[in-house]
Amino acid sequence: AQTVTQSQPEMSVQEAETVTLSCTYDTSENNYYLFWYKQPPSRQMILVIRQEAYKQQNATENRFSVNFQKAAKSFSLKISDSQLGDTAMYFCAFMKHVSGAGSYQLTFGKGTKLSVIP
Amino acid sequence: ETGVTQTPRHLVMGMTNKKSLKCEQHLGHNAMYWYKQSAKKPLELMFVYSLEERVENNSVPSRFSPECPNSSHLFLHLHTLQPEDSALYLCASSQGVLETQYFGPGTRLLVL
Repeated sequence: AQTVTQSQPEMSVQEAETVTLSCTYDTSENNYYLFWYKQPPSRQMILVIRQEAYKQQNATENRFSVNFQKAAKSFSLKISDSQLGDTAMYFCAFMKHVSGAGSYQLTFGKGTKLSVIP
Repeated sequence: ETGVTQTPRHLVMGMTNKKSLKCEQHLGHNAMYWYKQSAKKPLELMFVYSLEERVENNSVPSRFSPECPNSSHLFLHLHTLQPEDSALYLCASSQGVLETQYFGPGTRLLVL
């Protein structure tokens, strides 16, 4: 079974600074997908960024970027120029297709609570 | 309305009640999901439907019964729940099961 570990339960960052959230995972698969989701106090789960394991280039979405190290099974999220609206829970997630079974496995980490300080 | 909507937003029920959670997606997606989010536990995938057929059931107790009548609607029927089933139930949708998922606001369920 896959496991996803987010080792930082809580983090804080000054507004306009940069912060990195860590995520490691354990799998024997070669093809899979990794996601970062943001859950603000409103509870909506918002997709932040996605990475396909077969792509070597790190995904980037505006102020959000990832450092994907496949060999190390690491998938960290960097938030640049932090804004007050970035305050939320951040979840790392791993997804793979179970071939032949027509099913999928999706595993989430326990989350990191990020607070952006004015 | 846009995105993924869920009703009700809050629900309190007794252990002998029968209730249903509703999810509707307005994104034209063909896959829908039910998740359970409990305090201090990782998000748990419960059910996945692709093209209205269930393709994943992560050993969820039978007191939870999903229904997907069409690609836009997903229900979770609840009966004889236990207090430990109290949690936030999230619905999501995507265009293709391995593609990006978009979540609804969730239903906060309390079982007394």
